[in-house]
Amino acid sequence: GAGVSQSPSNKVTEKGKDVELRCDPISGHTALYWYRQRLGQGLEFLIYFQGNSAPDKSGLPSDRFSAERTGESVSTLTIQRTQQEDSAVYLCASSSTDTTLNYGYTFGSGTRLTVV
Amino acid sequence: ELKVEQNPLFLSMQEGKNYTIYCNYSTTSDRLYWYRQDPGKSLESLFVLLSNGAVKQEGRLMASLDTKARLSTLHITAAVHDLSATYFCAASSLLQGGSEKLVFGKGMKLTVNP
Repeated sequence: GAGVSQSPSNKVTEKGKDVELRCDPISGHTALYWYRQRLGQGLEFLIYFQGNSAPDKSGLPSDRFSAERTGESVSTLTIQRTQQEDSAVYLCASSSTDTTLNYGYTFGSGTRLTVV
Repeated sequence: ELKVEQNPLFLSMQEGKNYTIYCNYSTTSDRLYWYRQDPGKSLESLFVLLSNGAVKQEGRLMASLDTKARLSTLHITAAVHDLSATYFCAASSLLQGGSEKLVFGKGMKLTVNP
């Protein structure tokens, strides 16, 4: 596709439920990031995938958070036993070596997660 | 640990005026990015600054990088209402294997009044 696609765009879930967020990166982009943006705040790094290398999970806030990516395609971010503090916009970004230096990362529109 | 600070965090200015906003980072960084975010929207890449002394301009916005001072500036010339948005800077550090982490500032919310 032309851009980074995220789904769903909005998700309301009850506390304690599991949620799965999806990111479709730009075709050919080997790098994929997940960030979290709380209301009125900057972006908080969660996890990074680069090709088939082991992901960098250093930003995941707890073991309730996990993410997967198959090759250089779709990624899913799973939050188990959601808590109210998980409410935020979850943004996905992708890039390639060729594009990063000139254009930076391309972000998706995000998934707004509300835990009630 | 790399930290990024922006100031000011809020700015209200009149159309036609000039202003400079600042982005400081705490440790050596290889690249500096500026992004724009409109309300309810995602981030749009504005500039990528790769080296000391780099200057890039697009329309009424000009960004520069001083790696020795660990400072980037975003200068607004003759502001117009369409520039109203939140502006983020992000610094990066290259990791082993060529990967990179971006650390974002909290963002500066700009309002340009007629």
